[in-house]
Amino acid sequence: SQTIHQWPATLVQPVGSPLSLECTVEGTSNPNLYWYRQAAGRGLQLLFYSVGIGQISSEVPQNLSASRPQDRQFILSSKKLLLSDSGFYLCAWSVQGAGEQYFGPGTRLTVT
Amino acid sequence: KQEVTQIPAALSVPEGENLVLNCSFTDSAIYNLQWFRQDPGKGLTSLLLIQSSQREQTSGRLNASLDKSSGRSTLYIAASQPGDSATYLCALNYGGSQGNLIFGKGTKLSVKP
Repeated sequence: SQTIHQWPATLVQPVGSPLSLECTVEGTSNPNLYWYRQAAGRGLQLLFYSVGIGQISSEVPQNLSASRPQDRQFILSSKKLLLSDSGFYLCAWSVQGAGEQYFGPGTRLTVT
Repeated sequence: KQEVTQIPAALSVPEGENLVLNCSFTDSAIYNLQWFRQDPGKGLTSLLLIQSSQREQTSGRLNASLDKSSGRSTLYIAASQPGDSATYLCALNYGGSQGNLIFGKGTKLSVKP
């Protein structure tokens, strides 16, 4: 069966510090991968998606970037965090061509 | 711009009651629609997926319907239990197999024993 992992589970970082969040998927090959953010009082928003290694699409301009160095690994990064980057970050995957998405446990990021 | 609205924002019911959660959308050109459950501080659990060509899907006590012409989907929960307490989110996919999901803000359900 397929499993999706995210780490860390929680993170507290000062403004201006770098960020690296990691997501890995097990039990499938060549998945679509997604990063979403859930901010307090706002709905879930897609940040990035990837259909293959090195292929990243960004949905909104922001302080963040994403990379996919391996087939089942998706990384969310920032060089300098802003207060507005605080939120709950969720990674998701889908089988290419199917459309149904499955979510990981999330990372709670607090920027202080 | 596609918008997804979920009403009510919060709902409290006694255990055993049947209930309906609503999701409305402005653009009916969807690829599919998913209903999710989110427990506090947790990720999303996929409950049901309805393809654009389908009218409804059922899983256990859950039944989801889709009416594209009226821009509505409903999630019916039969014989509610305290364990059903969570936030329920609907999400629309307009972009095909690689498209992003556009989420409503959810309905927070509380089922009281």
